[in-house]
Amino acid sequence: TQLLEQSPQFLSIQEGENLTVYCNSSSVFSSLQWYRQEPGEGPVLLVTVVTGGEVKKLKRLTFQFGDARKDSSLHITAAQPGDTGLYLCAGAAGNTGKLIFGQGTTLQVKP
Amino acid sequence: NAGVMQNPRHLVRRRGQEARLRCSPMKGHSHVYWYRQLPEEGLKFMVYLQKENIIDESGMPKERFSAEFPKEGPSILRIQQVVRGDSAAYFCASSSSGMEETQYFGPGTRLLVL
Repeated sequence: TQLLEQSPQFLSIQEGENLTVYCNSSSVFSSLQWYRQEPGEGPVLLVTVVTGGEVKKLKRLTFQFGDARKDSSLHITAAQPGDTGLYLCAGAAGNTGKLIFGQGTTLQVKP
Repeated sequence: NAGVMQNPRHLVRRRGQEARLRCSPMKGHSHVYWYRQLPEEGLKFMVYLQKENIIDESGMPKERFSAEFPKEGPSILRIQQVVRGDSAAYFCASSSSGMEETQYFGPGTRLLVL
C-alpha cells in the first residue's frame, strides 16, 4: 500500500517567517501534486512535479521533488496571512491515475 | 472555461435514504475521479471512470455505493441506504487523460446524514 506522510500536521507562525512542509513516502510516484484547500472548498492545484530533483517556484513558494521521486517539500518564504489554509500533497499512483493524498498541513499565518 | 462543477453543494439525508451526487468535468475532460474526505482526515480515492467505463473502483465500499459516467450527462455517485458514517465531503476531479495527467477538483458536496 502506498502512503504519503505529510509533516507537520499543524503550523502556526508569524507573518514574515519562512516555513517548510514535507511529504515523504517509501514508494516511488510518477508525479506529485501540491494543492491548497480553503474551508468549504475543493483542493486547488498549486503545482505538479514530475522529474526527480525538479524544483519549481511560484512567487514565494518553492516546490522540490526528491531525486528518487519518493518525497517532496514545499517552502514558503516570508509567509503572509493570505497563505493561511490547508496544504495537501498527492502522489500519482502509477498505472491507475488515482491520487494518494497526505494527511495535510494546516497553516496559520498570524499578522 | 468553466471548472469542475458539482451539485448539490450541500445534501442532507436521513438514515436509509438515497444520496445522488453529480459531477460535470471540465470541458474537454473525459476522465473523472471521486474522492471522499471524512472529518479530520485526508482525501481518499474512491473510483476512477471514463465515459461509460469504470476503470478502477478499488476505493469504493463493497455495498451501497455505485458510480457511473454515462455517454451524455454528468458522472453520478450514488449512495443507497445512507448511514451516519457516510457523512463526509465528496469531491470529484477530472483530467484530460488518465495516468499522469493533473487532476482538477470541484468544490465538493457536503453530505450530512441525520
